[in-house]
Amino acid sequence: DAGVIQSPRHEVTEMGQEVTLRCKPISGHNSLFWYRQTMMRGLELLIYFNNNVPIDDSGMPEDRFSAKMPNASFSTLKIQPSEPRDSAVYFCASKDSWRTEAFFGQGTRLTVV
Amino acid sequence: SQQGEEDPQALSIQEGENATMNCSYKTSINNLQWYRQNSGRGLVHLILIRSNEREKHSGRLRVTLDTSKKSSSLLITASRAADTASYFCATDAGGDYKLSFGAGTTVTVRA
Repeated sequence: DAGVIQSPRHEVTEMGQEVTLRCKPISGHNSLFWYRQTMMRGLELLIYFNNNVPIDDSGMPEDRFSAKMPNASFSTLKIQPSEPRDSAVYFCASKDSWRTEAFFGQGTRLTVV
Repeated sequence: SQQGEEDPQALSIQEGENATMNCSYKTSINNLQWYRQNSGRGLVHLILIRSNEREKHSGRLRVTLDTSKKSSSLLITASRAADTASYFCATDAGGDYKLSFGAGTTVTVRA
């Protein structure tokens, strides 16, 4: 298996633009997580899905952030409009409910200028 | 808010020495996991210890868990330059599928 695949790896955008981050979880995994990592705040859980259903989005910073999981093999995290303080590395992770460890993608480094 | 907090924040050791880092958490857990993150990469799972276990080994890694103190430690023995990374503990409280991560310990192994 290729592991969790995220795209793009790097994204530079101007303030106010819409940004869409993509994630393909490991086939067969039924839980998917979006995390944000910054030096100041560490690794923050934004939202997680189980069987494509959002279970808890309490970590989503504000209404500018939205996430979808239309099917078991794809998820998106969208920021509209983006702001400089959204600059961070965004990770997607997936896991099988029968196992406990999560598998992380390589992350998307987002820079909003 | 983060469930786990690692200590120390940073650690610098000589190759061949042991590295020990600690994790404290706040609520009851089903299991505690340790992950490693190399610079610019995603997190990689290292080892898991269940709430009914007290100690676990995997290669050069040794993990302990004290549920009465809500704390865990990770020991890396005979460190190598390749062990240079950030190490995170993550708690699984179960039932809600969430993994909550601490702030991490940055380990530098000097050759």
